[in-house]
Amino acid sequence: DAGITQSPRHKVTETGTPVTLRCHQTENHRYMYWYRQDPGHGLRLIHYSYGVKDTDKGEVSDGYSVSRSKTEDFLLTLESATSSQTSVYFCVTGPSMNTEAFFGQGTRLTVV
Amino acid sequence: QKEVEQNSGPLSVPEGAIASLNCTYSDRGSQSFFWYRQYSGKSPELIMFIYSNGDKEDGRFTAQLNKASQYVSLLIRDSQPSDSATYLCAVIRSGGSYIPTFGRGTSLIVHP
Repeated sequence: DAGITQSPRHKVTETGTPVTLRCHQTENHRYMYWYRQDPGHGLRLIHYSYGVKDTDKGEVSDGYSVSRSKTEDFLLTLESATSSQTSVYFCVTGPSMNTEAFFGQGTRLTVV
Repeated sequence: QKEVEQNSGPLSVPEGAIASLNCTYSDRGSQSFFWYRQYSGKSPELIMFIYSNGDKEDGRFTAQLNKASQYVSLLIRDSQPSDSATYLCAVIRSGGSYIPTFGRGTSLIVHP
């Protein structure tokens, strides 16, 4: 299995608070992605990175920001959590263009 | 219209039968195609990938790609109850971003 670790695995937070999810990989993969998975919507891309300090927005980026200061770490921040951001978040990594993607274990986030 | 379409199911098949899962995509320039399996509460895991037109077999699984008709399918022979899961189709489009785009998944139920 690819060494992709997400933390925390579960989190309950209050509306309006900032939240940071961490993805750490030991595979030296260049590409890293944050997706959220919701019933009826499937997996939707939030942000992605194609290298250190190189990031871009996905289809559902409003209310989220990311940072990648090292190859192995990709952070997702919810600037001010809302109930609509209750979801399962997956970190996904890929070694190169056009190849398969590997998933972290997921983070279940509940905003109350 | 979503870029990658799958019938949500559930698709119910008896044990030992062939399960056929289908996926269509909208970008004619798409290059790489993947099938993932996701058990309830778990992260998706890669089953197969296919890049060229035709069939690719791996054990009980066969992926079929038809770029002219823009569909990719997954056949599971000798289906087992342990194959019961949601199957996600993923496509990497052309254009340089190399972002996996996922369908919403098809739920497969294999009943004894």
